[in-house]
Amino acid sequence: SYVLTQPPSVSVAPGKTARIPCGGNNIGTKSVHWYQQRPGQSPVLVIYYDSDRPSGIPDRFSGSNSGNTATLTISRVEAGDEAVYFCQVWDGYTDQGVFGGGTKLTV
Amino acid sequence: EVQLVESGAGLVQPGGSLRLSCEASGFTFSNYWFHWVRQAPGKGLVWVSRINSDSSDTIYADSVKGRFTISRDNAKNTLYLQLNDVRPEDTAVYYCTRDLGGGGDYWGQGAPVTVSS
Repeated sequence: SYVLTQPPSVSVAPGKTARIPCGGNNIGTKSVHWYQQRPGQSPVLVIYYDSDRPSGIPDRFSGSNSGNTATLTISRVEAGDEAVYFCQVWDGYTDQGVFGGGTKLTV
Repeated sequence: EVQLVESGAGLVQPGGSLRLSCEASGFTFSNYWFHWVRQAPGKGLVWVSRINSDSSDTIYADSVKGRFTISRDNAKNTLYLQLNDVRPEDTAVYYCTRDLGGGGDYWGQGAPVTVSS
């Protein structure tokens, strides 16, 4: 089965840039979605189709995907960005959804 | 405003059954595919099942195949997940989510399910 690998945690100072990687075999050939989940809340889509941003998501959030790594980038990080971030793809070979293990962003 | 509201949460004994519902509003329900995703306490998100718009195609994670059934009633704007022969490892918050390219653009508030004797 397809596996997505994320670091358990990333720390960043306020106002700096956070980069959260998501590794997978040839992930660059798949569409990657990113979710933000704050404690006690439901996940929120922050990036879809690798780099598109839903309405209402600040342009500080951006995404890229190439080779074996997709990356969620959060610029000018704020305290309110502190959350767990999950990457996700649809594996067309097995017809299954796959999530990364999640990365806790500490500001 | 798009809303997904789950119900049916609760405590169930091992081997028992439970049905979760997800009522949708704010969009044309019958035009969309849907997923169920679960999250065990303190753990990550795990995809469970997906259904297409007219119920002709349903797929499941291996861990629930043969025990869980996804269904929908387009007349009632409602998605369902029937959980049968539940196990302690099925304890989780269950989320319904509207499909967007294999992911989910809108999520419900979550329905906690506890499997315990």
